Amino acid sequence: DGGITQSPKYLFRKEGQNVTLSCEQNLNHDAMYWYRQDPGQGLRLIYYSQIVNDFQKGDIAEGYSVSREKKESFPLTVTSAQKNPTAFYLCASSVTPSTDTQYFGPGTRLTVL
Amino acid sequence: AQSVTQLDSHVSVSEGTPVLLRCNYSSSYSPSLFWYVQHPNKGLQLLLKYTSAATLVKGINGFEAEFKKSETSFHLTKPSAHMSDAAEYFCVVSGASNTGKLIFGQGTTLQVKP
Repeated sequence: DGGITQSPKYLFRKEGQNVTLSCEQNLNHDAMYWYRQDPGQGLRLIYYSQIVNDFQKGDIAEGYSVSREKKESFPLTVTSAQKNPTAFYLCASSVTPSTDTQYFGPGTRLTVL
Repeated sequence: AQSVTQLDSHVSVSEGTPVLLRCNYSSSYSPSLFWYVQHPNKGLQLLLKYTSAATLVKGINGFEAEFKKSETSFHLTKPSAHMSDAAEYFCVVSGASNTGKLIFGQGTTLQVKP
């Protein structure tokens, strides 16, 4: 099956710890995106990558970091500098950077204890 | 700058009755417009997309949306609601040209009563 996978589905973290969320796609898409979703709000863009070894900050990048060493993988690290990390995190991809149709993974719910 | 406003945060309908979810947008150029659906604790699924080929866009699961440039609207409709339609719906507009970035509305929660 082609698609986007995110793991784990649920993640618990203690304050002060960094945590990495996984996003993998086998769609051969060039562009990948990370969004944060809070209750009652739309999605906000954290980081995006248009090509391997390149990525740009989105609207709320502070306290987050990413890497794009492989086309199919775009992991997101939530650092201890992120003031309010508890949220639902969604990864997406699109065929090319200029293609605006994005396909989403199932999401990871992060809870900071 | 591009923006999108979903006019209702919550809509409640009875099963078998029509659904109307309202969306207005603002864009400095001809945008692409989307509706996505999200079931609880799931990712987003694309319902339909407008790209200027036709003003009435048909999507999956019986949903459709009409692009009205004069009203800057892109409302989502379905003739007859089903219990499985209960979910969160997002109206989305494309961001700056050729960046692939999307601008999301705040979402509308659709409740379907038996």
